[in-house]
Amino acid sequence: DAGVIQSPRHEVTEMGQEVTLRCKPISGHNSLFWYRQTMMRGLELLIYFNNNVPIDDSGMPEDRFSAKMPNASFSTLKIQPSEPRDSAVYFCASSPLMGAKNIQYFGAGTRLSVL
Amino acid sequence: DAKTTQPTSMDCAEGRAANLPCNHSTISGNEYVYWYRQIHSQGPQYIIHGLKNNETNEMASLIITEDRKSSTLILPHATLRDTAVYYCIVRVALDSNYQLIWGAGTKLIIKP
Repeated sequence: DAGVIQSPRHEVTEMGQEVTLRCKPISGHNSLFWYRQTMMRGLELLIYFNNNVPIDDSGMPEDRFSAKMPNASFSTLKIQPSEPRDSAVYFCASSPLMGAKNIQYFGAGTRLSVL
Repeated sequence: DAKTTQPTSMDCAEGRAANLPCNHSTISGNEYVYWYRQIHSQGPQYIIHGLKNNETNEMASLIITEDRKSSTLILPHATLRDTAVYYCIVRVALDSNYQLIWGAGTKLIIKP
């Protein structure tokens, strides 16, 4: 398996532009997580899905952020409009739903710079 | 809020055992301890987890105290490639899934 695949790896945009981050989870995994990592705040959970349904979005910072999972093999995180303070590395992770191990497998991340 | 406390940084000589401590004094009876690490510019990587028994796999060993208030991750023969930030995490149960509560981690530097 190729693991969790995120695209793009790097994104540079100007303030006010729309940004879409993409994630392909590991085949067969039922849970998908979006995280944001900054030097100041560390790794923060933004939202997670079970079986394509958003379960907890309490970590989403503002209405400018939205996430979708239209099917089991694809998810997007959108920021509209983007602001400089959104600059961070965004990680997607997937895991089997429940289960004894419940290991989250992370993608390589998308480094977002908003100028 | 993070439920774990770890040293900010540690050094270890290459080839020696690296022992990374973690305090989780408020852990509940059904909450697991997980360890992940993050090598520079990569996503976090799972290492090992446990509930109350000591655990060992091909990467590391996990020693959990009897009262479960602390644990130690042991990398038996550290190499330069083990330089990373190591996160000790408590897994808490939510309504229909589990959530990993991440702290700041320990930056481990392996020196030649």
